[in-house]
Amino acid sequence: DAGVTQSPTHLIKTRGQQVTLRCSPKSGHDTVSWYQQALGQGPQFIFQYYEEEERQRGNFPDRFSGHQFPNYSSELNVNALLLGDSALYLCASSSGLAQETQYFGPGTRLLVL
Amino acid sequence: AQKVTQAQTEISVVEKEDVTLDCVYETRDTTYYLFWYKQPPSGELVFLIRRNSFDEQNEISGRYSWNFQKSTSSFNFTITASQVVDSAVYFCALRGFTGFQKLVFGTGTRLLVSP
Repeated sequence: DAGVTQSPTHLIKTRGQQVTLRCSPKSGHDTVSWYQQALGQGPQFIFQYYEEEERQRGNFPDRFSGHQFPNYSSELNVNALLLGDSALYLCASSSGLAQETQYFGPGTRLLVL
Repeated sequence: AQKVTQAQTEISVVEKEDVTLDCVYETRDTTYYLFWYKQPPSGELVFLIRRNSFDEQNEISGRYSWNFQKSTSSFNFTITASQVVDSAVYFCALRGFTGFQKLVFGTGTRLLVSP
């Protein structure tokens, strides 16, 4: 039973560039949530997708956007990268409207130079 | 607004010592979930436990135990006879009970277990 997978594992970009991160949910899960974790901090909620729609969004600018595909996988896009976007980006999946437990992937470490 | 506080930034113990990680939360919801996750150096958040707000029974799983006290808004985590493999950052988290809800995390407690 495959867990949550994310790609790439590491990424280096320069300021102003755009980046796309990818996530495949755990088998049987239909909801994907994205979190940003800065060094030494707890994860901060970015947004959540269910049935290909953004259902809830955290306090992140419009430079952060996402998408969910019919197979429940998801992408996180960040435009006009800033140095402060350097972080570990975590994807979590959960099942159904109850959304009881979110299971996390290994994350993508993004470094913006 | 929801908030989780983990006042202990870092704890160092020697193997076989017992250690308790504190978690205090704030929420206006009457029903909610509480969680603990473990984050080893690899970065992946590993789910440890979920508790419902209406179930205040303490739980034990092997060397791990959790003490949930609604009266003090606390959900503390104890590791008995700690091992080097327990070294990680531990996060307490809170989320609402129904519908689409985000996880609200504390800032984490780094546990270092020395041999």
